[in-house]
Amino acid sequence: EAQVTQNPRYLITVTGKKLTVTCSQNMNHEYMSWYRQDPGLGLRQIYYSMNVEVTDKGDVPEGYKVSRKEKRNFPLILESPSPNQTSLYFCASSLSAGGGQPQHFGDGTRLSIL
Amino acid sequence: QKEVEQDPGPLSVPEGAIVSLNCTYSNSAFQYFMWYRQYSRKGPELLMYTYSSGNKEDGRFTAQVDKSSKYISLFIRDSQPSDSATYLCAMLADAGGTSYGKLTFGQGTILTVHP
Repeated sequence: EAQVTQNPRYLITVTGKKLTVTCSQNMNHEYMSWYRQDPGLGLRQIYYSMNVEVTDKGDVPEGYKVSRKEKRNFPLILESPSPNQTSLYFCASSLSAGGGQPQHFGDGTRLSIL
Repeated sequence: QKEVEQDPGPLSVPEGAIVSLNCTYSNSAFQYFMWYRQYSRKGPELLMYTYSSGNKEDGRFTAQVDKSSKYISLFIRDSQPSDSATYLCAMLADAGGTSYGKLTFGQGTILTVHP
């Protein structure tokens, strides 16, 4: 089954404790992206990757890091999480960035930073 | 001003009603228009996809895009309780734009269809 898989689905942690949210897709997609969803603000892009070893900032990259060492994986790293990063996070992928390819989303990771 | 404006609702309708959801936008570079449906505790699921202006129909769902007015709509006919979800409009600029591959979303409209 074609899917985008995120782990963990839920995480409660404390300020300053490094964490990684994993994202994996099995569709051989080139383009992958991270979004956060907040009430009243909708979904906003954090980082994206157009292919292996090619990443760039989205609209709200502060406090986050990403890497793309393999085509299928695109982890999101919070080196020193803070309470304002408490949010619902989604990973998405599409065949490519161009040509208006629709993006497919994972089921989300709810992070609470205390 | 946000690039994409969507009335967050909530919207509550009886089963069988026709539902109209709308978004307006300001960025004339948007060429691809999508509607996603998001159930509670799930990720957004692509519902409708339209390129440029025009209409597209898929079963009970019809998407309309009017680029001259920068206005898009989603109509749901014969609405069902299973349609209860948050509906998100999303837009994508042309491949040559600076926002390469980035979906810009509306806030989402919460829809409840009651039996």
